Amino acid sequence: AQKVTQAQTEISVVEKEDVTLDCVYETRDTTYYLFWYKQPPSGELVFLIRRNSFDEQNEISGRYSWNFQKSTSSFNFTITASQVVDSAVYFCALSTGANSKLTFGKGITLSVRP
Amino acid sequence: EPEVTQTPSHQVTQMGQEVILRCVPISNHLYFYWYRQILGQKVEFLVSFYNNEISEKSEIFDDQFSVERPDGSNFTLKIRSTKLEDSAMYFCASSDTFWGTIYFGEGSWLTVV
Repeated sequence: AQKVTQAQTEISVVEKEDVTLDCVYETRDTTYYLFWYKQPPSGELVFLIRRNSFDEQNEISGRYSWNFQKSTSSFNFTITASQVVDSAVYFCALSTGANSKLTFGKGITLSVRP
Repeated sequence: EPEVTQTPSHQVTQMGQEVILRCVPISNHLYFYWYRQILGQKVEFLVSFYNNEISEKSEIFDDQFSVERPDGSNFTLKIRSTKLEDSAMYFCASSDTFWGTIYFGEGSWLTVV
C-alpha cells in the first residue's frame, strides 16, 4: 500500500520569508512518481511538479525548489521569498507502478501575511 | 494551454436525485480520472478509465456511481441516487500516458440537500 504524510497542517509566514513544506511517502514499489499540487482559495488543483523515483536531482523553478531524498523517503518543497499569492493548500501525491492513480497527503495550508 | 474543463461548476441537488457531472479532458489524453474532495479533507481517488473501460476504482466508487465516455470528447460521472455524504468537490483529471502528469479540472461542487 502507498501512503503520503504531510505532518504540517498549517503554516503561517510573513511575506518574503522562506518556507519549506514537508512530504514523506511510503511505497514498496521501486518505480513511482511524486507530485506537488497547489489548491488556491478558488479551489482548483494546479500542477506544480512531477518527479520520478530514478531522478534524485533537486529542481528549481523560479522561487520554487524541490528536494527529493530517497534515503529518507521525502520530497520537500521550498518557497523562497514567499508572496501573498502563495497562500493556498499544497498537496503532495504519489503514484506507483501498479496503477496510475494518485494517493494524496492531507495537504498543508500555507498563509502568507503581508 | 490545453486544460480539463468541467461542468457544472456548482450543483445543488436533493437527496435521492441523479446527478451527472461532465468533463472534457485534454484532447490528446488517453487516461481519465475522477477524484473527490470532501470539504476540508484530502483529495481521494474514485476511478480511472482507459480504452473505454474502468481500469481501477476505489471503495468509494460503489454501485451508485458510473462513468461513461459517450463520445470522443466528454467523460461523465453519474451518481444515481445522491446521499448527503456525496456532497463534495468532484475533480476530473486526465493524462496522456500511464505515467504522465495528471492534470485536473477546476472541479464541480456538488451539494446534496
